[in-house]
Amino acid sequence: EDKVVQSPLSLVVHEGDTVTLNCSYEVTNFRSLLWYKQEKKAPTFLFMLTSSGIEKKSGRLSSILDKKELFSILNITATQTGDSAVYLCAVDSNYQLIWGAGTKLIIKP
Amino acid sequence: NAGVMQNPRHLVRRRGQEARLRCSPMKGHSHVYWYRQLPEEGLKFMVYLQKENIIDESGMPKERFSAEFPKEGPSILRIQQVVRGDSAAYFCASSPGQDRNGYTFGSGTRLTVV
Repeated sequence: EDKVVQSPLSLVVHEGDTVTLNCSYEVTNFRSLLWYKQEKKAPTFLFMLTSSGIEKKSGRLSSILDKKELFSILNITATQTGDSAVYLCAVDSNYQLIWGAGTKLIIKP
Repeated sequence: NAGVMQNPRHLVRRRGQEARLRCSPMKGHSHVYWYRQLPEEGLKFMVYLQKENIIDESGMPKERFSAEFPKEGPSILRIQQVVRGDSAAYFCASSPGQDRNGYTFGSGTRLTVV
């Protein structure tokens, strides 16, 4: 059975800290891995990863994929209160997205 | 260019009533995906549609749930005879093709069954 597991389930840090969120997967037909940030509205797209070892960056956020070990990490440096959200990882297996349960990140001022 | 539009934003139904959720994809998108998000869980795939075709409905409950994406108009997710357990946020996403470039979510419809 295809599955995506995120850890930790929740994380509380102080503003300015750096956090690393993990996403591991087991799917039958990997096409890509996607990271989303979900606040009160719909998830907003962060990154799509298809190749191992190539880091994608967007401001203070970065992500990398390891297709051999079947995981991805999402890093956020110099965290701000606006980073508080649920971060979702999903794997595209054919035309289905297999979703993790998310990591709830809380940034304390 | 409006994004994926879902309506209503909030929907309250009594047990046994029907719920209709609408999703208008982004302009130029002909692929629509429906997901359900239960409290404390990730998004669960329900159904994937193209215009006038259901491509994959493997995530749809066998009874009471149906979806359509007609040639004209929005995609509709229909839940008949709702029960408390149907209470959830339902998200729709659209893309121009199968490769998911430009894959975009709507804001969701929160269904509450009382």
